Amino acid sequence: EVQLLESGGGLVQPGGSLGLSCAASGFTFSSYAMSWVRQAPGKGLEWVSGTGTSAGDTQYADSVKGRFTISRDNSKNTLHLQMNSLRAEDTAVYYCAKRGGSGTYGFDIWGQGTMVTVSS
Amino acid sequence: EIVLTQSPGTLSLSPGERATLSCRASQTISSNSLAWYQQTPGQAPRLLIYGASSRATGIPDRFSGSGSGTDFTLTISRLEPEDFAVYYCQQRGSSPLYTFGQGTKLEIK
Repeated sequence: EVQLLESGGGLVQPGGSLGLSCAASGFTFSSYAMSWVRQAPGKGLEWVSGTGTSAGDTQYADSVKGRFTISRDNSKNTLHLQMNSLRAEDTAVYYCAKRGGSGTYGFDIWGQGTMVTVSS
Repeated sequence: EIVLTQSPGTLSLSPGERATLSCRASQTISSNSLAWYQQTPGQAPRLLIYGASSRATGIPDRFSGSGSGTDFTLTISRLEPEDFAVYYCQQRGSSPLYTFGQGTKLEIK
């Protein structure tokens, strides 16, 4: 079964750091671009960051650029998101998502999400 | 930055009716880059349509997508009870790499 499982969410104070992980299974992880998408409580979806299949191919939303770092470990089938200098507005459910195959730009597989709360 | 505007914000219909949801881009986008998602409360989004008109795996044929340029449409031909949810369009651009519309809530009338 194709599956993504996020972990690492929790409560953190403003200015703090948190690391999220996403364990992939059921597909050849190294062959697919991956992204993080977040959803603040009661709000819509916001793309946060993405990585292509090769190291160094990373992109970020302006809202997190310079504070968040995405990485992938293809040997462990795991996607990471390191979040530093967290702000209240970063409070959201964070989803990892797999891009479809070549030429397919939709996210065809999503994890169940992990909640990040930034509050003092 | 390309902005996607979805309309209406809320759509009230009955089971069995036809639903038409709109997504308008602030500038011309490639049809290849346009996708639609369904999200029910407490769940992750589910890919319905990619490439503006191709149904994702396992999606019933009552869901269809169309459009080009700046105007795109998701149509649900005959609403089933499980179709009442929030729908998002998404496009792949350059900076930011992906953007979502604000969503359309489809509710039972």
